[in-house]
Amino acid sequence: EAGVTQSPTHLIKTRGQQATLRCSPISGHTSVYWYQQALGLGLQFLLWYDEGEERNRGNFPPRFSGRQFPNYSSELNVNALELEDSALYLCASSLTVYGPQETQYFGPGTRLLVL
Amino acid sequence: RKEVEQDPGPFNVPEGATVAFNCTYSNSASQSFFWYRQDCRKEPKLLMSVYSSGNEDGRFTAQLNRASQYISLLIRDSKLSDSATYLCVVNSEGSTLGRLYFGRGTQLTVWP
Repeated sequence: EAGVTQSPTHLIKTRGQQATLRCSPISGHTSVYWYQQALGLGLQFLLWYDEGEERNRGNFPPRFSGRQFPNYSSELNVNALELEDSALYLCASSLTVYGPQETQYFGPGTRLLVL
Repeated sequence: RKEVEQDPGPFNVPEGATVAFNCTYSNSASQSFFWYRQDCRKEPKLLMSVYSSGNEDGRFTAQLNRASQYISLLIRDSKLSDSATYLCVVNSEGSTLGRLYFGRGTQLTVWP
């Protein structure tokens, strides 16, 4: 069974540009989560989507946004890129957020570098 | 105060050693607890879920103390392949439902 997939693996942008990152969850998983891992820092929660709706959001500015498509894949958009947005962006999926099925499984991540 | 705190290490141990990692969490309403491992420049992978008073999986034992808001991970008979960063992870309910809180991780190096 395929795991969580993300694309692209690497992305290089300049300040002020927009970045779009994509994620496909494990088949059957309806919840998708996005995290940021900046160098030397722990994972920080960005967004959670379930059944096409944004369910929760971390402490990030509005220029971080996303959506979830009917096939449960997801997109993270980062507008007006800043140098400090350079990080590993990880997507995770789970069957459901309730009970033992809530375990989140991570994709390999997208490394974003803002110059 | 950070939601999840871990001793960052690094822990450097010989093969065969027993090593223990500790973690504390601040939200008493936390419901689910996990240990993930993360290899250098890779994604976190689930090592163990900790749902009750603790559980064991081969050489790995996780303990949970809700009263003290404390989680531990014990690795027995360390292998070279255990070298990684171990992340203590806590989930909550209520307004933070769906959000995982990660510790900064404890780095382990097992040497021959």
